[in-house]
Order: sequence, then C-alpha cells, then structure tokens
Amino acid sequence: DVVLTQTPPTLSATIGQSVSISCRSSQSLLHSNGNTYLHWLLQRPGQSPQLLIYLVSRLESGVPNRFSGSGSGTDFTLKISGVEAEDLGLYYCVQGTHAPYTFGAGTKLELK
Amino acid sequence: QVTLKESGPGILQPSHTLSLTCSFSGFSLSTYGMGVSWIRQPSGKGLEWLASIWWNGNTYNNPSLKSRLTVSKDTSNNQAFLKVTSVDTADTATYYCAHTPGTGREFDYWGQGVMVTVSS
Repeated sequence: DVVLTQTPPTLSATIGQSVSISCRSSQSLLHSNGNTYLHWLLQRPGQSPQLLIYLVSRLESGVPNRFSGSGSGTDFTLKISGVEAEDLGLYYCVQGTHAPYTFGAGTKLELK
Repeated sequence: QVTLKESGPGILQPSHTLSLTCSFSGFSLSTYGMGVSWIRQPSGKGLEWLASIWWNGNTYNNPSLKSRLTVSKDTSNNQAFLKVTSVDTADTATYYCAHTPGTGREFDYWGQGVMVTVSS
C-alpha cells in the first residue's frame, strides 16, 4: 500500500499567519491517465472531514482561496495563506491513484 | 444537494456481524461513474478506507480486512450497505460513508458518521 507521510504532525499558528503542510508519498501518485489523485481534507473538531483540495491543486467549491495545493510525483504541499480561526482542526492528505485508497496520519493545526 | 447519513446498531458484541446503512440523496448510484465509499475512524485516530461500491455494481474492499467486508447497494431506495463480519474491539470506530463521484473529486461529501462500539 502507498504510505503518505505528513509533516509536521502538529502546527501551531497565530491568526493571519501563513502555514504549509507537507505530504510525501512512498511512490509516485501520477496515474497512467495523466491525473494525480492526491487530495486534502479538513476535519474540524467534532465534525466529519470535508474536501478542500482535489487533484493536487483544484479548490473545492465553497472553499476559501486562502487554501492552495501544489506538488507532483511524490511531494505535495497544502498552504494556508493567512490562518483564520475556522481553519483549526486536522488536515489529511489522501491518495486514490493506487488501490487501496490511503490517508496520511494527519496534521493538527492549533492556535499558538 | 448531496447528503448522506449512516445508521447502525451503536453497540454489538465481539464475533457478531456489523451491518451499516448509508442513506443518501442528491445523486443516484445508477448514474455512470457514481460511487459510495466507507471509511472509518477510531476515536482520536486517523482515517481508514474500507470499501467502495460503484454504479455498475463493482466493489473494491481494503485487502487489510481480507474477506470480512461486504458492500452492496439498493439503487431504487438510494442506499448503500456495509457488513463487517467477526467484529472485535479493534473495529470500534466512527464509520462514515462518502460520495465518490469518480471524477477525481473523491470523497467530496461525507455523512455525519455513526459510532460503533464492539464490547461484550
């Protein structure tokens, strides 16, 4: 199975600060069809996960544009440009290029 | 508007079979490309994909759970089902179903989750 390694495990930020989360894959996530099935989810405390970014860099409808995704192959990054209080929670990367789907262990974003 | 809601027994005994239902609206599992996935999360831990079922009836289970999983669907009633046999305490978790449209926007809608406890 593909292993996704997220760093850091915990991220402390102040409101307005820009932060980045890394997701590294044990193998390339470039599919033979040309797509890279690497997505980012946010799970706020007590809530279900929600999709933020899909296919590396595409912003899900309704998600603020302070969120952005980048990367290719095995290295991916989620950036939040100006953290807001509602952004606190657990961030997960997930891959769907290679069966079975696998998730990163998560990065907890908390207030400093 | 896509919505999903899981339902299940809440608590069950070890060695029994867990049966979960995902009732959804806003899409049809008979539409080309559509799918529903099951994902679970033990309390305080990360997410684990369990299984997916697609519009054409194809299913795919996480090999780590071997043959313990069965997914099925009732297209006319907009429901998907998950059965987990021979449960033990390690299966205690919140179970989610998620819309999986097969367009690359995987897991774009999630249910609220249902908590399942395996205990004697």
